[in-house]
Amino acid sequence: EVQLVESGGGLVQPGGSLRLSCATSGFTFNVYWMNWVRQSPGKGLEWVANIKHDGSKKYYVDSVKGRFTISIDNAKNSLYLQMNSLRAEDTAVYYCAREIGYQPRLDQWGQGTLVTVSS
Amino acid sequence: DIQMTQFPSSLSASVGDRVTITCRASQSISSHLNWYQQKPGRAPKLLIYATSSLQSGVPSRFSGSGSGTDFTVTISSLQPEDFATYFCQQTYNTPWTFGRGTKVEIK
Repeated sequence: EVQLVESGGGLVQPGGSLRLSCATSGFTFNVYWMNWVRQSPGKGLEWVANIKHDGSKKYYVDSVKGRFTISIDNAKNSLYLQMNSLRAEDTAVYYCAREIGYQPRLDQWGQGTLVTVSS
Repeated sequence: DIQMTQFPSSLSASVGDRVTITCRASQSISSHLNWYQQKPGRAPKLLIYATSSLQSGVPSRFSGSGSGTDFTVTISSLQPEDFATYFCQQTYNTPWTFGRGTKVEIK
């Protein structure tokens, strides 16, 4: 069974940092692109970043460039999101998701972890 | 960035109704259009990918169509478990972008 389990969310002050983790199992992690997608309370979905299975390519939405870093550890089958210089508008549930296909889609999602940026 | 306009933002329908949701891209995205279903407190679930391909396990009452800039998802006969919010997503160019969602409510 494919599983993605996020952790690391919590309450942080503006300007602070958090590192999210996504532990995966049930599939061959090192052949898939992986993504982070966030959802602000009561709002829609926003794609945040993705990373190639070997870590050689990374893409970000403009609003997080220079502040967030996506990374992987294939030995641990895990995905990470280092979030620095956090802002109130980064408050959201953060989901990790597996990407598949020549025409990419997100076919497996974690349950999400809530990040709240507030003083 | 490619903007995805989804409409309606909400609709009320009865069990058994045929429901269609539309998504329009700000530029051509070929067939790189996916649809997701999300229920309250849950992660999104992939329903349809590449405009019209049904994800494994998704009931055949769901179908997708379109190309270029205009896309639709149709539920042929709405079931109680289909009341949820639906999002479109383009994966033609990064940043991947989503529509704002369509909430399907019980009439």
